[in-house]
Amino acid sequence: DIQMTQSPSSLSASVGDRVTITCRASQSISIYLNWYQQKPGKAPKLLISAASSLQSGVPSRFSGSGSGTDFTLTISSLQPEDFATYYCQQSYSTPVFGGGTKVEIK
Amino acid sequence: QMQLQESGPGLVKPSETLSLTCAVSGGSITSRNWWSWVRQPPGKGVEWIGEVYHTGSTNYNASLKSRVTISVDKSKNQFSMKLTSVAAADTAVYYCATKNYDLRHFNYWGQGTLVTVSS
Repeated sequence: DIQMTQSPSSLSASVGDRVTITCRASQSISIYLNWYQQKPGKAPKLLISAASSLQSGVPSRFSGSGSGTDFTLTISSLQPEDFATYYCQQSYSTPVFGGGTKVEIK
Repeated sequence: QMQLQESGPGLVKPSETLSLTCAVSGGSITSRNWWSWVRQPPGKGVEWIGEVYHTGSTNYNASLKSRVTISVDKSKNQFSMKLTSVAAADTAVYYCATKNYDLRHFNYWGQGTLVTVSS
């Protein structure tokens, strides 16, 4: 099975900060990588598919990049509503999620 | 806009079978979508359990494959999951979700249902 490793597992940041989250696959997955945002008590919400395709309605401060084994999710200017946990998920084979990155207020 | 709604008991005894159903509305279960179950233990990450296509074809997480069965009921526009021999480690919020056959990302989710395994 393909393993997905996210880093960091948590981070503290301030409103307006640029935040970068990394996801690494144990083997090449091309661009079959999706990013989700989850808030407490809610289901994950799809932000980005196919490594860099922003979903409709998702603010443009979110962006994704990468291919092969290394991927990043970037929030260009952190907003109060962005404090949440973020998960990557590979869709190259049967779905596997990363361990999550919790973004907390500094 | 597709909507998914989980239902089932919130409490299951150890060694028994956990059964959940996901009702689909706003779309047909025979559409080009895989229908999945995903779980999240309290305070932990997200784990994909398995999926079914309307033809009955299934894929399962290797770590759960021996205990899980996912099936589809086209007449009721719903799909279900059974997890046998449950233990405390199976306590989690269980979500049903769907992904397009071609696009592969999970675009619709249910609200989730907490299942506690306890005697």
